[in-house]
Amino acid sequence: DAGVIQSPRHEVTEMGQEVTLRCKPISGHDYLFWYRQTMMRGLELLIYFNNNVPIDDSGMPEDRFSAKMPNASFSTLKIQPSEPRDSAVYFCASSLSWVEYEQFFGPGTRLTVL
Amino acid sequence: AQSVTQLGSHVSVSEGALVLLRCNYSSSVPPYLFWYVQYPNQGLQLLLKYTTGATLVKGINGFEAEFKKSETSFHLTKPSAHMSDAAEYFCAVKYGNKLVFGAGTILRVKS
Repeated sequence: DAGVIQSPRHEVTEMGQEVTLRCKPISGHDYLFWYRQTMMRGLELLIYFNNNVPIDDSGMPEDRFSAKMPNASFSTLKIQPSEPRDSAVYFCASSLSWVEYEQFFGPGTRLTVL
Repeated sequence: AQSVTQLGSHVSVSEGALVLLRCNYSSSVPPYLFWYVQYPNQGLQLLLKYTTGATLVKGINGFEAEFKKSETSFHLTKPSAHMSDAAEYFCAVKYGNKLVFGAGTILRVKS
């Protein structure tokens, strides 16, 4: 398996623009997680899905952030409108089950909002 | 509140020396515990995990960790550091259906 795939790897945009980050989880994994990593706040869980259904979005910073998982092999994290404070590395991770809970991380998307 | 504390944001060791990275957590029930490593510009990679059974857990690259319930600790060790071990290490604890991560410890290995 190719592992968790994220695109793009780098994104530079201007404040106010819409940003869409994409993730393809490992085939067969039932759980998908979106994280944000910054120097100030470390690694934060934004939202996670189980069987394509959002289970907990309490980590989503505000209404400008939204996430979808239309099918088992694809998820998006959208920021609209983007702000400079959204600059961070965004990771997607997937997991086979919650029992042993080993999460496999993608390489991340480095977002810079000017 | 659920928390994971990693003592020392930066640790520096000489090549060949013992590596000890500390992790303490707040939990009153037996947890699932993990150590992840992150190399520059990469995602996190699982080093090892404790779920049940033997409290001394061996992972990849010669690392191991010991779960000590009485101390609520899960410290990561490696007998002899290698230059390639330089990276950032994260301790994580499963609370409910979430993983809560520590702030990370950057390991520097001096030649």
